[in-house]
Amino acid sequence: NAGVTQTPKFQVLKTGQSMTLQCAQDMNHEYMSWYRQDPGMGLRLIHYSVGAGITDQGEVPNGYNVSRSTTEDFPLRLLSAAPSQTSVYFCASRSLPGGPATSTDTQYFGPGTRLTVL
Amino acid sequence: AQSVTQLGSHVSVSEGALVLLRCNYSSSVPPYLFWYVQYPNQGLQLLLKYTSAATLVKGINGFEAEFKKSETSFHLTKPSAHMSDAAEYFCAVTSNSGGYQKVTFGIGTKLQVIP
Repeated sequence: NAGVTQTPKFQVLKTGQSMTLQCAQDMNHEYMSWYRQDPGMGLRLIHYSVGAGITDQGEVPNGYNVSRSTTEDFPLRLLSAAPSQTSVYFCASRSLPGGPATSTDTQYFGPGTRLTVL
Repeated sequence: AQSVTQLGSHVSVSEGALVLLRCNYSSSVPPYLFWYVQYPNQGLQLLLKYTSAATLVKGINGFEAEFKKSETSFHLTKPSAHMSDAAEYFCAVTSNSGGYQKVTFGIGTKLQVIP
């Protein structure tokens, strides 16, 4: 089991460029999510998905798109990068054995992607 | 909506001293609460979780936390700090939003262990 993997580990972009952060998990988890981590602000939820074909916004979705075509993959797209999107991005997944509203299962995190936008 | 407040963004303790990291939650329903640890340049990993069973929850690496409903608290403790405990610790609470469960994190507390 590789768990949750993220690529790339580091990325530098120029303002206005677009890119996709990749996230994959091999635990057959229904729930996947993207967070950004900024100093003094903890982790903030960007987008999440409760299964293939189902995505929804978190608390800071602007400037990001997601899709979930398979259970394993949950890419995060930056449409037009801005310096305010400089951050560390974490992907996470967990199972939903009791259904989406009741799961208390552990979330597993990827190692993160450090993004700098110049 | 549920939320958590972590008191103290930085905590310093001497090696061998008690570790106490504070977390208070806001919830209109019985919450599910978690503590995660993040070592430098790594992702988060679960230390322990409270899911309405025992109020005293034991986790990995000698950490434990007690759920106190009357105080809306879920403080993390360890009797004797070790140098390897230096990390950032996050308290988190689950909440239902539109029928789906989300996890909301506190801002984190960086623990420094002084030799």
